[in-house]
Amino acid sequence: DIQMTQSPSSLSASVGDRVTITCRASQGIRNDLGWYQQKPGKAPKRLIYAASSLQSGVPSRFSGSGSGTEFTLTISSLQPEDFATYYCLQHNSYPRSFGQGTKLEIK
Amino acid sequence: EVQLVESGGGLVKPGGSLRLSCAASGFTFSSYTMNWVRQAPGKGLEWVSSITSSNSYIYYADSVKGRFTISRDNAKNSLYLQMSSLRAEDTAVYYCARGVEADYWGQGTLVTVSS
Repeated sequence: DIQMTQSPSSLSASVGDRVTITCRASQGIRNDLGWYQQKPGKAPKRLIYAASSLQSGVPSRFSGSGSGTEFTLTISSLQPEDFATYYCLQHNSYPRSFGQGTKLEIK
Repeated sequence: EVQLVESGGGLVKPGGSLRLSCAASGFTFSSYTMNWVRQAPGKGLEWVSSITSSNSYIYYADSVKGRFTISRDNAKNSLYLQMSSLRAEDTAVYYCARGVEADYWGQGTLVTVSS
């Protein structure tokens, strides 16, 4: 089974900051990875697919990179609506696995 | 517009059973793998089960294998999760999600297992 290790688990940042969240896969998953944003009481929303492609309608301040075992989600300039929890998901093989989540909080 | 609407959640006693449904619209349901994902209160996301478009392949998390059964009815554009031998640790919001890549998600249905 593939384990996804996401870091950090929480992050305090200010509006306008640049932040980076990392997911590491326990084995190579090519670029079979998505990033999701979840706000309290809401369903997850996909931001990035195929590790680096921006989902339609998602602001361009979100970007993803990586391949193989190391992946990053970057928010170039934090906006108030970006404070949420973020997850990665590998869809390279079953069982599917999520990262543990990163809670992004306002400093 | 892609829509996924879950239903069937509620309060059930340990050892009991429950059947969740997910009604799909806005896309060709029969062409997509479908998934169930859950989230325990205050916890992260956990993949539960997937079923391919023509029922050819079915996968389960170890935590639910032998207790949960995923199924679909392509004629009714519906996905199901039959849950039995429920435990307190199965308490969660259950989401259905579309596709191998889980691109669209429903709003979820809450299952509470408690005596």
